[in-house]
Amino acid sequence: NAGVMQNPRHLVRRRGQEARLRCSPMKGHSHVYWYRQLPEEGLKFMVYLQKENIIDESGMPKERFSAEFPKEGPSILRIQQVVRGDSAAYFCASSLKPPGQGPNTEAFFGQGTRLTVV
Amino acid sequence: AQKITQTQPGMFVQEKEAVTLDCTYDTSDPSYGLFWYKQPSSGEMIFLIYQGSYDQQNATEGRYSLNFQKARKSANLVISASQLGDSAMYFCAMREGNGGYNKLIFGAGTRLAVHP
Repeated sequence: NAGVMQNPRHLVRRRGQEARLRCSPMKGHSHVYWYRQLPEEGLKFMVYLQKENIIDESGMPKERFSAEFPKEGPSILRIQQVVRGDSAAYFCASSLKPPGQGPNTEAFFGQGTRLTVV
Repeated sequence: AQKITQTQPGMFVQEKEAVTLDCTYDTSDPSYGLFWYKQPSSGEMIFLIYQGSYDQQNATEGRYSLNFQKARKSANLVISASQLGDSAMYFCAMREGNGGYNKLIFGAGTRLAVHP
């Protein structure tokens, strides 16, 4: 039973290029979350998606960033025209539907994609 | 105001001893969940333990236990019998709301070093 799979693990982009980060949730999970971790900081929520729907994108920058979770295939976090400040680790997590009080409601994280903008 | 506060940027402990990592939280929602994650140098986020706000007993998972003091709004992680492999960053996180999704709010983390 594979965990949350993210690829690539490391991504280097030049300023102005596009970065596409992929996340395949755990089997049976239909809820996906993206977080960003700047160096020496905790994770910050970016966006929450269910299949084909964005539920909450309150943590997503208004420009250049977009996310999708299509009916088939992985979730994609897309960053257009990257800048140096986008350099960070981007984590995807997935959970069962629906989470709530009680055990086994945790989000399982992938190993992250480390984006470096040069 | 910060929702999750981890006041210890770094901690060290002798191997085989117990260590407590502090976490305080701030929420007006009566229903919430508290989590601890471990992030080793390899970078992945490893779930350790969960405590629901209505849980009557403190959560335990093997060598990890959560010292949940609701009135003080603290959720400290206790690691017993530390091992060298416990050296890592540890993050406390909170999820607000009943039935809410996993929009977690993370603290800044505590870096734990276990010495032989």
